[in-house]
Amino acid sequence: GENVEQHPSTLSVQEGDSAVIKCTYSDSASNYFPWYKQELGKRPQLIIDIRSNVGEKKDQRIAVTLNKTAKHFSLHITETQPEDSAVYFCARGTGRRALTFGSGTRLQVQP
Amino acid sequence: DAGVIQSPRHEVTEMGQEVTLRCKPISGHDYLFWYRQTMMRGLELLIYFNNNVPIDDSGMPEDRFSAKMPNASFSTLKIQPSEPRDSAVYFCASSFLDRTQETQYFGPGTRLLVL
Repeated sequence: GENVEQHPSTLSVQEGDSAVIKCTYSDSASNYFPWYKQELGKRPQLIIDIRSNVGEKKDQRIAVTLNKTAKHFSLHITETQPEDSAVYFCARGTGRRALTFGSGTRLQVQP
Repeated sequence: DAGVIQSPRHEVTEMGQEVTLRCKPISGHDYLFWYRQTMMRGLELLIYFNNNVPIDDSGMPEDRFSAKMPNASFSTLKIQPSEPRDSAVYFCASSFLDRTQETQYFGPGTRLLVL
């Protein structure tokens, strides 16, 4: 139905390397795919989103790609920095109902 | 705009006590969501409202949980009686859903500890 699978659950990279987090969904009606970043003890905050009529969107060091045929979307962070360390959540929506969130990926950027 | 406001920020109570969490959404937003976050279960949607009307409460754990939204600027989540397994961070979020925008904005959360 509306589940979102997110991988990996944890990810450790060296500062300066790239990080990629992937999510898959099953509901064909999904047309909105946001990504949230949650720092320790803080609230989830939107960092980037993409709609189903777009295949890729970039904002400085972060980008999101969407493959509607395969029903998966990914978050790409380039030139990672220690301040990128956080838990990242993907989500999907249809414009009519609440978002469904993935289980989260804990990213650790090693200085 | 101050964003979504939640109170209290921290709550410590004893098992069996009533707990009331409060939320003020962003002005103009017509959707309000209550989430619970734990290490084991992640971010769970409990209930959400549209124009003050509950739309889906299928995520509410059991009858001990209840939520109300008496007006567009205020909502409460009540747990009565509370149990240790209710310990979690409770987030409120609001959004304005239309064809082009459904971003949810989260409040700072209420960290609940039931002893």
